[in-house]
Amino acid sequence: GAVVSQHPSRVICKSGTSVKIECRSLDFQATTMFWYRQFPKQSLMLMATSNEGSKATYEQGVEKDKFLINHASLTLSTLTVTSAHPEDSSFYICSASSPIGWGYTFGSGTRLTVV
Amino acid sequence: GQSLEQPSEVTAVEGAIVQINCTYQTSGFYGLSWYQQHDGGAPTFLSYNGLDGLEETGRFSSFLSRSDSYGYLLLQELQMKDSASYFCAPYNQGGKLIFGQGTELSVKP
Repeated sequence: GAVVSQHPSRVICKSGTSVKIECRSLDFQATTMFWYRQFPKQSLMLMATSNEGSKATYEQGVEKDKFLINHASLTLSTLTVTSAHPEDSSFYICSASSPIGWGYTFGSGTRLTVV
Repeated sequence: GQSLEQPSEVTAVEGAIVQINCTYQTSGFYGLSWYQQHDGGAPTFLSYNGLDGLEETGRFSSFLSRSDSYGYLLLQELQMKDSASYFCAPYNQGGKLIFGQGTELSVKP
């Protein structure tokens, strides 16, 4: 139980286009989900907290107009990278608090490459 | 704010025991968690300490001392598959999981 599914796993897009990443909790409801970004050989950086039915909360330094987050249902949160640039190329991962025990469950991640 | 310190790299041999330390400073502290991440993969939850002392889960154990703002992850009987990055992450009042820089563990034959 407590599975988070994330799609796509890999995406390549052209500069200036937008990319949508989906994160679904498959067997539980997640009122809150978190979005992280990870550059090679670096730690996971929290970008924003996605709240079902309300606006996301962004961490300092994260552009909310560039990284659009929508959490329209209790099982789905989406992250849209708008007007992507090569510097947005990174590994994006979502997570949710597991209903089982203390851990947070993570999606499998999306590797975005902007060319 | 929050600050976390853990060693950047640790190397050990198969069958050995390794300890990865973590010191933290954070407000509204609830407990300390540990995650493992293999290269290219997603983090997976290893353990959580809400109280002082040692928590044991198979080959992995985790320790917390609230008074020292310190914890560690102990890996026993190391296997090659344990080569990964390990992150300590405090749980705090805000509910957000903030990761430290991580410790890259290399297990050698």
